[in-house]
Amino acid sequence: KQEVTQIPAALSVPEGENLVLNCSFTDSAIYNLQWFRQDPGKGLTSLLLIQSSQREQTSGRLNASLDKSSGRSTLYIAASQPGDSATYLCAVMDSNYQLIWGAGTKLIIKP
Amino acid sequence: DAGVIQSPRHEVTEMGQEVTLRCKPISGHNSLFWYRQTMMRGLELLIYFNNNVPIDDSGMPEDRFSAKMPNASFSTLKIQPSEPRDSAVYFCASSPLQLMNTEAFFGQGTRLTVV
Repeated sequence: KQEVTQIPAALSVPEGENLVLNCSFTDSAIYNLQWFRQDPGKGLTSLLLIQSSQREQTSGRLNASLDKSSGRSTLYIAASQPGDSATYLCAVMDSNYQLIWGAGTKLIIKP
Repeated sequence: DAGVIQSPRHEVTEMGQEVTLRCKPISGHNSLFWYRQTMMRGLELLIYFNNNVPIDDSGMPEDRFSAKMPNASFSTLKIQPSEPRDSAVYFCASSPLQLMNTEAFFGQGTRLTVV
């Protein structure tokens, strides 16, 4: 059974720092991995999608990597800003086409 | 496209009442998903449809929950009768049929409170 874990559960850093969020999964048989952002009281916004054949994707200050063999993904945020404060979730699409979710990392960027 | 549209955004109801949540997927998307999010259990898949047909409803917690997709542009999630433990945020998401290569797009969610 696929399980997704995100560490840390919460993170607080000063503005301007680069940071890394971690996501691990137990079964490497995935179709893709997706990083989402959730703001309080709002829906989920897709940030980056990495196909199982890819190793990384970049969008602006965000870079996501995928190492299927080790069951890991990282989301790198460069030059963090207070507006980056949110909960970041990763989800893997398993062999049954279902999204399996991590519990999220709550990120606070201090001005 | 306006994205996935859910209504209502907030719903407060008394225990025992029927609750209906609505979702309009992105036009052209063939797959639709209903999720529930709580502090204790995180995001859980309740049911998903492909081409309006329910494919997997194993996540539906009880017979009190039912979902329909009468056409490609509309789906409902109904709870009857509602209970306080049903209080959660319910998300609807849609994606194109070729699931393995596409993103899932989420609505803003419906925050349900059953008192």
